[in-house]
Amino acid sequence: DGGITQSPKYLFRKEGQNVTLSCEQNLNHDAMYWYRQDPGQGLRLIYYSQIVNDFQKGDIAEGYSVSREKKESFPLTVTSAQKNPTAFYLCASSTPVVGGYTFGSGTRLTVV
Amino acid sequence: RKEVEQDPGPFNVPEGATVAFNCTYSNSASQSFFWYRQDCRKEPKLLMSVYSSGNEDGRFTAQLNRASQYISLLIRDSKLSDSATYLCVVRDGGATNKLIFGTGTLLAVQP
Repeated sequence: DGGITQSPKYLFRKEGQNVTLSCEQNLNHDAMYWYRQDPGQGLRLIYYSQIVNDFQKGDIAEGYSVSREKKESFPLTVTSAQKNPTAFYLCASSTPVVGGYTFGSGTRLTVV
Repeated sequence: RKEVEQDPGPFNVPEGATVAFNCTYSNSASQSFFWYRQDCRKEPKLLMSVYSSGNEDGRFTAQLNRASQYISLLIRDSKLSDSATYLCVVRDGGATNKLIFGTGTLLAVQP
């Protein structure tokens, strides 16, 4: 079945560490997105990529980095520069023209 | 002003009730509109797209008023399983295909 897989489901990070969240899709979608969701808040866009080897900053990119070396993969690195990284991270993909997004099941990151 | 605004609720309704959610958006150039459903601690899932003429899917009816920049979702005969957060979503008017999400309206259907 086609879909988006995010891993791990839960991640614990020590302060000062970088961590990488995985996102893989087999839907043949060109566009991929990373969102962050905090309790009581909406989804906020971190980074997005509309095509391989290209990506743009979203609204809250500071402290995060991404790569898009393959169409199927869009990993997100949460760096030590991100001061408040505890959140629910959602990856999504879409076709470039119309329709909504398909989301992965998310990664819940906690700083310990 | 937020790009997409929703009443956060919660809306507490009995089973069988009809409930309506409203949403306003700020960018008049927006072209596509959606309602997503998000269960607690889960990812959002597309509930339905919203078309200019209004559209219905079973117990769910979506309406769009472009002049007022207003979107609505009506749920008839509420079920316990409808309890979730409903997200109003608007595609931005530019070339990036980005979706802008509202903060969601929480619905709790009571037995």
